[in-house]
Amino acid sequence: DTEVTQTPKHLVMGMTNKKSLKCEQHMGHRAMYWYKQKAKKPPELMFVYSYEKLSINESVPSRFSPECPNSSLLNLHLHALQPEDSALYLCASSQAKGNQPQHFGDGTRLSIL
Amino acid sequence: QKEVEQNSGPLSVPEGAIASLNCTYSDRGSQSFFWYRQYSGKSPELIMSIYSNGDKEDGRFTAQLNKASQYVSLLIRDSQPSDSATYLCAVNMDAGNMLTFGGGTRLMVKP
Repeated sequence: DTEVTQTPKHLVMGMTNKKSLKCEQHMGHRAMYWYKQKAKKPPELMFVYSYEKLSINESVPSRFSPECPNSSLLNLHLHALQPEDSALYLCASSQAKGNQPQHFGDGTRLSIL
Repeated sequence: QKEVEQNSGPLSVPEGAIASLNCTYSDRGSQSFFWYRQYSGKSPELIMSIYSNGDKEDGRFTAQLNKASQYVSLLIRDSQPSDSATYLCAVNMDAGNMLTFGGGTRLMVKP
């Protein structure tokens, strides 16, 4: 079991649906990350939150909307996704000071119909 | 462009052998280096961190770092079939917390 918890584990949605992915950590980390991972590829960074503020947006389409309500929670709101957005979405957290390892949750497997 | 390179494999080793996984990186100023193991369909799991030149051992795993050659490796002793996975090398190149991942090496340990 990981200390970063993601829900749901699997999500199937249509292109007109709105859904949210949730991530929670209780390690006292103040940096949190969203990654997208396609099969046989490394994780691809989407967003970074540091001290609950968005610090990095890697030119992600606006149909993905991140939110960090508090230091333990991270959400990713999804709207009008495309079939190519089907992937494993990973949340990670780390201490906010530099050179720290990131700890990943189990991920949400997203399928867009 | 800052890059991390790994041989995609598969690297096939017999059970009980030493598996050697290699990674090179482009940014000479990189400070921290991590190895993640990822089983098929699962998320990456941190197995080793290394920050200074030399070897760091943890159980059957040894990470080796050579900053002059911009090279980091992972040795797995007494390889087991359960070690079969993709191993991701990740490098922190900006002294912050952003990681640059290599493409991963798939390891197959055959009984």
